[in-house]
Amino acid sequence: QSALTQPPSASGSPGQSVTISCTGTSSDVGGYNYVSWYQQHPGKAPKLMIYDVIKRPSGVPDRFSGSKSGNTASLTVSGLQAEDEADYYCSSYAGSNTLVFGGGTKLTVL
Amino acid sequence: EVQLVESGGDLVQPGGSLRLSCATSGFTFGSYWMTWVRQAPGKGLEWVANIKQDGSENYYVDSVKGRFTISRDNAKNSLYLQMNSLRAEDTAVFYCARGRGFSRWAFDIWGQGTMVTVSS
Repeated sequence: QSALTQPPSASGSPGQSVTISCTGTSSDVGGYNYVSWYQQHPGKAPKLMIYDVIKRPSGVPDRFSGSKSGNTASLTVSGLQAEDEADYYCSSYAGSNTLVFGGGTKLTVL
Repeated sequence: EVQLVESGGDLVQPGGSLRLSCATSGFTFGSYWMTWVRQAPGKGLEWVANIKQDGSENYYVDSVKGRFTISRDNAKNSLYLQMNSLRAEDTAVFYCARGRGFSRWAFDIWGQGTMVTVSS
């Protein structure tokens, strides 16, 4: 049950696109299409942004998109806005009825 | 309005016990997997445990197996986490969260969290 690997930080200017990676193994990210992404603002509860790799819950802007290639999943935020500045966490089913999260990425909007 | 409200967090000594509760409203509680996720101060999220709709299955992260017990009372629309033999490394904000229907490993509704501090 090792944590997934995310870059500690990412940044972009308003209107730009940013991609955050989430690297695991064939036992988690690469083995299942159960990758989710969460947004967390300081002092707040996480919010589901993407689930099942590419699906977006209702109410989440279509500026947020997910993808996966091999053992690495990615979250892309297009048309960056100031309110997108937050911490982002990926998670993946890891088999044997367990879940693993990534270490988190702090997204800064310059 | 769909709502999850945690309670029970406190300061407890190492080796002590605590029971967290999560009161839910606004949805059919008995139709969803439920989960506990924790976040140590300044750290990332960690999945702790989850429980099936009828309570017949539950699963835990290795670090809490044998010490924590997840349970639910569908008549009271409530989720619980009994925590025994607490350690300093259990210090965290504990969130309850709802599994998103068939995608039970995605958590679409979260509570505001309750703080557990393990210290002498």
